[in-house]
Amino acid sequence: GAGVSQSPSNKVTEKGKDVELRCDPISGHTALYWYRQRLGQGLEFLIYFQGNSAPDKSGLPSDRFSAERTGESVSTLTIQRTQQEDSAVYLCASSLDGRARVEQFFGPGTRLTVL
Amino acid sequence: GESVGLHLPTLSVQEGDNSIINCAYSNSASDYFIWYKQESGKGPQFIIDIRSNMDKRQGQRVTVLLNKTVKHLSLQIAATQPGDSAVYFCADPLTGPETSGSRLTFGEGTQLTVNP
Repeated sequence: GAGVSQSPSNKVTEKGKDVELRCDPISGHTALYWYRQRLGQGLEFLIYFQGNSAPDKSGLPSDRFSAERTGESVSTLTIQRTQQEDSAVYLCASSLDGRARVEQFFGPGTRLTVL
Repeated sequence: GESVGLHLPTLSVQEGDNSIINCAYSNSASDYFIWYKQESGKGPQFIIDIRSNMDKRQGQRVTVLLNKTVKHLSLQIAATQPGDSAVYFCADPLTGPETSGSRLTFGEGTQLTVNP
């Protein structure tokens, strides 16, 4: 596709349920990032994938959060046993590579609401 | 810790006026900054960037100024239009070990509202 896509666009779930969020990066982009954006706040880094290297998971807030990426394509972010504080917009971004001055292109995000 | 933040959470201007959005940073080692625009319901979109060896950079209707002495950035939008209404973030790509990529550090953002 022309840009980064994410699904679902909105997800409402009950506390304690697991959710899976999907990101389709721009074709050919080897770097992929997940960020979290709480209401009225800036972006919080979660995880970074670069090609077939081991991902940088240092931003994941707890062991309930995990993410996978198959090669240089789709990525899924999984949140287990969701809590109300997990409510946020989850944004995915991809770039040609992970260097600082290479533009990151963002998807529209998935708005997660945990009741 | 290090941070990138903005002075004002909201800014309201009249259509046609110039807008100035400010940003302060704390890491004196930061050498590259990016301004993003985020419209409601969308992901952030790159507007313009600037390297620390520059004081000013101009784009189409936008200018970014960098004052390294006081660690301050500003984004100036000329002849502001209703389509400019959005949240604006300054961001600092944090580059560490190769495995860390270039994670972006954002502040809270400034909500720009353009009144017709």
